[in-house]
Amino acid sequence: EVQLVQSGAEVNKPGESLKISCKGSGYSFNTHWIGWVRQMPGKGLEWMGIIYPGDSDTRYSPSFQGQVTISADKSISTTFLQWNSLKASDSAMYYCVRQDRGNWFDPWGQGTLVTVSS
Amino acid sequence: QSALTQPASVSGSPGQSITISCTGTSSDVGVYNDVSWYQQHPGKAPKLIIYDVRNRPSGVSDRFSGSKSGNTASLTISGLQAEDEADYYCSSYTTSSTWVFGGGTKVTVL
Repeated sequence: EVQLVQSGAEVNKPGESLKISCKGSGYSFNTHWIGWVRQMPGKGLEWMGIIYPGDSDTRYSPSFQGQVTISADKSISTTFLQWNSLKASDSAMYYCVRQDRGNWFDPWGQGTLVTVSS
Repeated sequence: QSALTQPASVSGSPGQSITISCTGTSSDVGVYNDVSWYQQHPGKAPKLIIYDVRNRPSGVSDRFSGSKSGNTASLTISGLQAEDEADYYCSSYTTSSTWVFGGGTKVTVL
């Protein structure tokens, strides 16, 4: 079974750094792009960016370029989403998604809730 | 890039059919057949229900169907059931080699 399992919920203070993870299993990790999607409380889905674990080729939405860093460690089949200095407005649910054979996303991780509050 | 445009809400009675529109531009929906749809129940992760405009993944009910005309894609739910009450999002690949989602549509079963 193809699965994406994300790290647990986080509570951090503004200005702190944070790295959340997404581990893939049940498929060839290196040959599928993995993306990240933000969902702010009560709001819709926003595509943040995507990485190809095989060579770490990465693309970002203009809205998120420079705000986050997406990386991958293919030795442990895991991708990461990182912030250097969190803001309260980064509080949201974050999903990792696998780009399937075409330009769609399946499956989705279970989500990681990030709360940034002083 | 701007989000694709979806109606905020659509409602229907059990057994009826409803259609959700998803309007983009000539840089996304209008130029690619890479439109997908996702269903999200409260507190759950989204789930793929339509890919490549009109294809259903294995296990998805055939009551869900997709289509596209010009810059607008559509999702139709026929024989509406209580379990279909959820949020629905469209997505499209873009000419910038990125993806964009719609703002989401809340479906209510009356």
